[in-house]
Amino acid sequence: GESVGLHLPTLSVQEGDNSIINCAYSNSASDYFIWYKQESGKGPQFIIDIRSNMDKRQGQRVTVLLNKTVKHLSLQIAATQPGDSAVYFCAEIFFFFFAGGTSYGKLTFGQGTILTVHP
Amino acid sequence: DTEVTQTPKHLVMGMTNKKSLKCEQHMGHRAMYWYKQKAKKPPELMFVYSYEKLSINESVPSRFSPECPNSSLLNLHLHALQPEDSALYLCASSQDGTGGFYNSPLHFGNGTRLTVT
Repeated sequence: GESVGLHLPTLSVQEGDNSIINCAYSNSASDYFIWYKQESGKGPQFIIDIRSNMDKRQGQRVTVLLNKTVKHLSLQIAATQPGDSAVYFCAEIFFFFFAGGTSYGKLTFGQGTILTVHP
Repeated sequence: DTEVTQTPKHLVMGMTNKKSLKCEQHMGHRAMYWYKQKAKKPPELMFVYSYEKLSINESVPSRFSPECPNSSLLNLHLHALQPEDSALYLCASSQDGTGGFYNSPLHFGNGTRLTVT
């Protein structure tokens, strides 16, 4: 069952407002960061990514900011719409390299934020 | 619609049952993953397969047994589960390698909702 008293951070906004969702990550050696959106009954869906050598990246209506000094990531959503209502997870990726040239990125999710957009 | 397909969508099983979860992708990805997600929590990594070989096992109990029959398929065999194993089980895939990962981050399926009674 669920832990008593454990709640995801929540953000409620009006349709048309801008939203800012924040995330603190844990590994200063992480190479790559992704924001995912998870709607009820679905798997996480890729929104936008940023490499560790960048500070800012813009997509369509979304912007991700990375502050490596304080290990902080934020997602800005412009003109938020009801369809943006979901749980948003940041994820950090640390790359492992194996002998022989294969590699994989270990993706670790942050705790998530529930975004509710009111019409 | 997701390009990673998971079946079944829902599964109810008793603690003595043996069942399997299935995952399929046809994107040519060479890395496949199992994640477990409890309610109101982020997904947690269980296993990683890279080029059909088990690369990472995040100390998962042996009652969960992964299998990768080929580059498109990933199974998770379940046996003697506990009620606390009830969760959403997510499969994901990615193109292996750093350049491939940057260009094609993890793609998730919609999961199998597992209930252990």
